[in-house]
Amino acid sequence: NAGVTQTPKFQVLKTGQSMTLQCAQDMNHEYMSWYRQDPGMGLRLIHYSVGAGITDQGEVPNGYNVSRSTTEDFPLRLLSAAPSQTSVYFCASSYAPDTGHGYTFGSGTRLTVV
Amino acid sequence: AQSVAQPEDQVNVAEGNPLTVKCTYSVSGNPYLFWYVQYPNRGLQFLLKYITGDNLVKGSYGFEAEFNKSQTSFHLKKPSALVSDSALYFCAVRDPNTGGFKTIFGAGTRLFVKA
Repeated sequence: NAGVTQTPKFQVLKTGQSMTLQCAQDMNHEYMSWYRQDPGMGLRLIHYSVGAGITDQGEVPNGYNVSRSTTEDFPLRLLSAAPSQTSVYFCASSYAPDTGHGYTFGSGTRLTVV
Repeated sequence: AQSVAQPEDQVNVAEGNPLTVKCTYSVSGNPYLFWYVQYPNRGLQFLLKYITGDNLVKGSYGFEAEFNKSQTSFHLKKPSALVSDSALYFCAVRDPNTGGFKTIFGAGTRLFVKA
């Protein structure tokens, strides 16, 4: 059981470039989300999805897009990378969160924008 | 709006001593509360949760947490710390009254257990 798989693990981008961070889960979880982790700030929610075709914004959505065409996949797109987007990105999934399930996290993508 | 605070950036304890990592929260109604642990260069791992019922909840690796509604706290505890417990610990809160779709994390507390 792979759990939550994130690719790539590391990425360096130049300012203005675009890229997609991939996230896939094989647990049939309805809920998926993207967080960024910055020193001293914990994890901040970027976008989330409660099922295929349904997405919504979190705390820090600017500069990022998401889509959820299947239950398994939830890619995060950086439209025009900026140095402020240098961070570690985590994808997380769970069964319906209103029932109190904890999250399963991926191993993260470390992104550097130069 | 919901929020969570971890007042200590770092906690230092000696191996074999009890440890406490503090967490306070702010949310309307009855919250769902969680603790996660992160080891170096890894994703977060779920430790335990409080949804309802007994105020003392037990989780993985011998950890437990006590929910205190009057003090709006959810402190993580372990009776006897191990060197291998050294990691970054995150408290998180979820408001089920708003659908529970946004889990808010604290800034994290780094735990150092000295041999």
